[in-house]
Formats: sequence, C-alpha cells, structure tokens
Amino acid sequence: AQSVSQHNHHVILSEAASLELGCNYSYGGTVNLFWYVQYPGQHLQLLLKYFSGDPLVKGIKGFEAEFIKSKFSFNLRKPSVQWSDTAEYFCAVNNNQGGKLIFGQGTELSVKP
Amino acid sequence: KAGVTQTPRYLIKTRGQQVTLSCSPISGHRSVSWYQQTPGQGLQFLFEYFSETQRNKGNFPGRFSGRQFSNSRSEMNVSTLELGDSALYLCASSLGAGTSSSNEQFFGPGTRLTVL
Repeated sequence: AQSVSQHNHHVILSEAASLELGCNYSYGGTVNLFWYVQYPGQHLQLLLKYFSGDPLVKGIKGFEAEFIKSKFSFNLRKPSVQWSDTAEYFCAVNNNQGGKLIFGQGTELSVKP
Repeated sequence: KAGVTQTPRYLIKTRGQQVTLSCSPISGHRSVSWYQQTPGQGLQFLFEYFSETQRNKGNFPGRFSGRQFSNSRSEMNVSTLELGDSALYLCASSLGAGTSSSNEQFFGPGTRLTVL
C-alpha cells in the first residue's frame, strides 16, 4: 500500500539549532516528492519539491531536502532554525497519474526563542 | 494570479444534515482535489476531479461525493453528517496534465466544518 512515514511527531529546538525531519515513503513507480508547511492559522504552503534530476533540492526560507532513492527517503533539513519556523511540516508523495497526494502524519516543530 | 478560494470558510451543522463546500481553482488549472484534515488522521485524500470527471478516489464512504463544473470549479457534498466529519476540508488545484510539474498541488485556505 502507498504510504508516507514521518519519523518525528513533535520536535522542539532552540533558535539557531540545526533541523532534520525524516520522511520515508512506500510508493511504486516514479514518484514526485514534496514538503509542505502549515503555519499556525494559515493554509498549506509548498516548501520544496522533487521531480527528477539533482537529488538535493533547495526550497524557500533556507530549507533543503535530499532524495535518497535506495532508502526511499526525502529528509528535510535547515542549518539554523528561527522562531518563525514554528509550524507543522508535511511530507507528501504522488506520481504522474493525477493529483492524489499521500501525506505523512506531519511533524510539529516548536522553536524556542 | 488569484489563488485557490474556498467557500464558506466556516460552517456549523448538526448530525444528519448535509453540507456542500465549494472550491474555485487557480485560473487555467483543470484538476481539483479534496482532502480532509483532522488531528487524529492527518491529511487524507478524498477525491480528484479533472475535466469534470472523477480521476482518483480515496477511501471514504459514499456519503462523501463531489463534482466539477465546466469552468473547473468544484463542489464537495457530505450527506448524513456524523460527528466524526468535523474537520478542515482542503481543496487543491493543479494543471493536471500527465507531467510531474503539472501535478503540483496548490492549496486553498480550507473550510472548517463543525458537526454538533
């Protein structure tokens, strides 16, 4: 069955700490990978996406993610978090057969000032 | 370009009633997908419409239905509401063609449905 697993349910960091959020997927065939962010009271926004090519992708606000095909992983990283990064982060995957996105359970990130 | 819009933003209904939610996609987008977001189940795919046809379907009961109009606007209907249907319902649009980039989803702000 198609699924996405996010390793951490809730992460608490201090400002300037480094961030890595894990994401593994189980999905047959060619995949497109996404990280979305949902700030408190706001709607889902795309952080970054991977379709093909360079497995290290850079997104907005200093975030990046690395696609490791052999590990079925797409981990999100940021070298130095800020208080404004407090939000919920979702990993998602789909294929080229339409818009159906499979989401992970989400990771709530709390950054202490 | 205007983003995805959803109406209404908030809705309160009682058990047994039915509800219709509306979504207007980004201009030029032909695919509209619906998702349910709850604290317990996270984000779950309901269905996708492309060119007025349901293209993908999630694992929800038949009480959940949708349709798409010729201008790509979509509506979602839930009949015989249950307490467990309380959720944030998100709509997303995309170009919808068979390429990776055309399936990138752009989300609306959602409709918060409360069932009493």
